[in-house]
Amino acid sequence: DIQMTQSPSSLSASVGDRVTITCRASQSISSYLNWYQQKPGKAPKLLIYAASSLQSGVPSRFSGSGSGTDFTLTISSLQPEDFATYYCQQSYSTSMYTFGQGTKLEIK
Amino acid sequence: EVQLVQSGAEVKKPGESLKISCKGSGYSFTSYWIGWVRQMPGKGLEWMGIIYPGDSDTRYSPSFQGQVTISADKSISTAYLQWSSLKASDTAMYYCARSQGYGWFDPWGQGTLVTVSS
Repeated sequence: DIQMTQSPSSLSASVGDRVTITCRASQSISSYLNWYQQKPGKAPKLLIYAASSLQSGVPSRFSGSGSGTDFTLTISSLQPEDFATYYCQQSYSTSMYTFGQGTKLEIK
Repeated sequence: EVQLVQSGAEVKKPGESLKISCKGSGYSFTSYWIGWVRQMPGKGLEWMGIIYPGDSDTRYSPSFQGQVTISADKSISTAYLQWSSLKASDTAMYYCARSQGYGWFDPWGQGTLVTVSS
């Protein structure tokens, strides 16, 4: 199985900060890496697919990069509505997709 | 608009059976994989399995193989997740989501909360 490890598990930041969340795969997954945002009581929402493609309707302050085993999600200037939990997901293994454990982004 | 609408919250006793649903609309239901994801209280997302309604090809996470059954009825554009004998540890929110392209999930259903308690 491909394991996905996110860091940090939690993060405190202020409005306007630049924030980076990292996701590492236990083996190479090419660019088969997706990012989601989940707010309390809501379903996850797709932000980034295929490592760096911005989902339609998602603000351009969100960006993704990486390939192989190391990936990052960057929020260029945090907005109040961005405080949420973020998950990465690998889709390289077509019979066994896996999520990272999540990164909770909190207000400092 | 592409939508997935899930069935309502359920409260069950241990040992009971349950089948929850996920109805797709606004797209060709038989042309996209539908996945199921578990989220236990206060925890992260766990991928359970996926089905292609066009031919009912189904794949399970090893963690959920034999514990649940995923199925679909393409005549009514609905996917299902079922248990034959619930346990208290099945208490969770369950989401369905459409898989696109190279396996990203969008959109998601609103979730079905399953509570198993004696």
